[in-house]
Amino acid sequence: GAVVSQHPSRVICKSGTSVKIECRSLDFQATTMFWYRQFPKQSLMLMATSNEGSKATYEQGVEKDKFLINHASLTLSTLTVTSAHPEDSSFYICSASPGGNSNQPQHFGDGTRLSIL
Amino acid sequence: KQEVTQIPAALSVPEGENLVLNCSFTDSAIYNLQWFRQDPGKGLTSLLLIQSSQREQTSGRLNASLDKSSGRSTLYIAASQPGDSATYLCAATGNQFYFGTGTSLTVIP
Repeated sequence: GAVVSQHPSRVICKSGTSVKIECRSLDFQATTMFWYRQFPKQSLMLMATSNEGSKATYEQGVEKDKFLINHASLTLSTLTVTSAHPEDSSFYICSASPGGNSNQPQHFGDGTRLSIL
Repeated sequence: KQEVTQIPAALSVPEGENLVLNCSFTDSAIYNLQWFRQDPGKGLTSLLLIQSSQREQTSGRLNASLDKSSGRSTLYIAASQPGDSATYLCAATGNQFYFGTGTSLTVIP
């Protein structure tokens, strides 16, 4: 079955550090990738939609200059949390879809737990 | 490893009907159970979150229940509308997210 690899699974770093999270589709071309985050005891929430070769679409309330998304190829999207602060500590998860407007299933990575000290 | 199953895989109902979507999971050691809606080409929209200590949550026409001991959750949709047509996913959260395979719902006007 389709596999999405997300790396790293866990990050602990100091405040002010920039952190890059990678999301790779291993056996299919992902026209569209989605980035989500979940704060403790809250629902998983969509942050942004990333389409290969174009700018990401961010959900309301998500700072595009803080959460940089790059989707330069059909198999890789990256999320960079710039100058991370403790309030950015969260669980981040990506999903990938063959894309378009078809009802293709999304395939999820295993997530990244980010802890900012 | 946690396995999450959703039944039925697809459901078609006339507008106005009440309906129930089922989600079962094999490992009861979860932090919470979440229900999502997926529209074609879009990211997931969170519908309801049930913490492991809770039995149910309600939002408008939606009601979700959780029975950890039996490894089951249900999503009840009252008075269905054509706009409810979408794929509904449940996810059991432990150390990771474990998503079900989804139920594709079509509400016929």
